Amino acid sequence: AQKITQTQPGMFVQEKEAVTLDCTYDTSDPSYGLFWYKQPSSGEMIFLIYQGSYDQQNATEGRYSLNFQKARKSANLVISASQLGDSAMYFCAMREGLYGGATNKLIFGTGTLLAVQP
Amino acid sequence: EADIYQTPRYLVIGTGKKITLECSQTMGHDKMYWYQQDPGMELHLIHYSYGVNSTEKGDLSSESTVSRIRTEHFPLTLESARPSHTSQYLCASSEASGGLASTAGTGELFFGEGSRLTVL
Repeated sequence: AQKITQTQPGMFVQEKEAVTLDCTYDTSDPSYGLFWYKQPSSGEMIFLIYQGSYDQQNATEGRYSLNFQKARKSANLVISASQLGDSAMYFCAMREGLYGGATNKLIFGTGTLLAVQP
Repeated sequence: EADIYQTPRYLVIGTGKKITLECSQTMGHDKMYWYQQDPGMELHLIHYSYGVNSTEKGDLSSESTVSRIRTEHFPLTLESARPSHTSQYLCASSEASGGLASTAGTGELFFGEGSRLTVL
């Protein structure tokens, strides 16, 4: 069964420093996609970054990068130069299903609450 | 920017009432989803749809029902609300899966702002 594990319930980081949020996953499907979402206290889910299982390079989007280690089945999110507005809940998610017939459903981890301190 | 809207944002209702949570998207996406999220917890898929007249149960059992009569509209209904239904309900939509390479499109889910339901 597919599963996403986020072992850090909460993290603190000083403003302007970098922080890594951990995510490990389990799947027997060779084709999958990994996502990170941010959920501020207002409740909406904001898409941050995506990594496909066959992508050769780690994904980057502005201050966000994804440290993809396929053999270890980990997809950690790195936020550089943290800002106060980064304080939020962060969810790692995986798309299940095969290419071409994918349901495109996402399964989510339990999340990590990040607090950025001034 | 995502164009997916949920109403109401907040609803407080008594036990036994019928409620409908509305979800609409203007992106022409075929796939739509309802997730349930308790405070501080992960999201659980309760319903999804591949297109008009298609609805499927998600991974988490739910007493709610959904319908998909129009592409843009995916309402969720609870016939008789109970305190155990108190939760946040998030609607989402997506294009077809992005496939293997990120350059083909990610297939990410676009979420609405959520509907926070409290049943007294």
